[in-house]
Amino acid sequence: SQTIHQWPATLVQPVGSPLSLECTVEGTSNPNLYWYRQAAGRGLQLLFYSVGIGQISSEVPQNLSASRPQDRQFILSSKKLLLSDSGFYLCAWSEGGRIEAFFGQGTRLTVV
Amino acid sequence: GDSVTQMEGPVTLSEEAFLTINCTYTATGYPSLFWYVQYPGEGLQLLLKATKADDKGSNKGFEATYRKETTSFHLEKGSVQVSDSAVYFCALTATGANSKLTFGKGITLSVRP
Repeated sequence: SQTIHQWPATLVQPVGSPLSLECTVEGTSNPNLYWYRQAAGRGLQLLFYSVGIGQISSEVPQNLSASRPQDRQFILSSKKLLLSDSGFYLCAWSEGGRIEAFFGQGTRLTVV
Repeated sequence: GDSVTQMEGPVTLSEEAFLTINCTYTATGYPSLFWYVQYPGEGLQLLLKATKADDKGSNKGFEATYRKETTSFHLEKGSVQVSDSAVYFCALTATGANSKLTFGKGITLSVRP
């Protein structure tokens, strides 16, 4: 069966520090991968999605970037965090031919 | 572009009350529609889905019917429980293997004993 791992679960980082959140999927190949952010009271915002290695689409201009160095690995990064980057970050995957997405447990990021 | 609009929240109900959470959408073509649920401190879980007009998705006592004429996918449950307290998201995806999910803002449901 397929599983998705996302870590860390919580993170407190100072303003201006770098960020790296990692997501890996097991039990499938060539998944579509997604990074969402859930800010308080603002719902889910799609940040990046990828349909293959090295293929990243950005939905909103921002202080973040994403990379997909391996088929089942998706990384969210920032060189310098801002206070406004605080939120709940969710990684998700879907499989071509199947329409639903499956989510990781999320990372609670607090920038102080 | 595609969009999903959910009713404003939060919603507070007593146990065994009837629940309706409204969701309407804008999309080209024939999207697939979803309800996801997020329990406190967790990621999202798929609650139910419908892939074509007049389909009814159902799970755990929740139901939603894909209404193309009104572009709606309202979530209903006849008798809510305290354990249903969570955030509920309506979402859609357009046809195509590489389509991405578009979410509504979500609504918080609190059920009192």
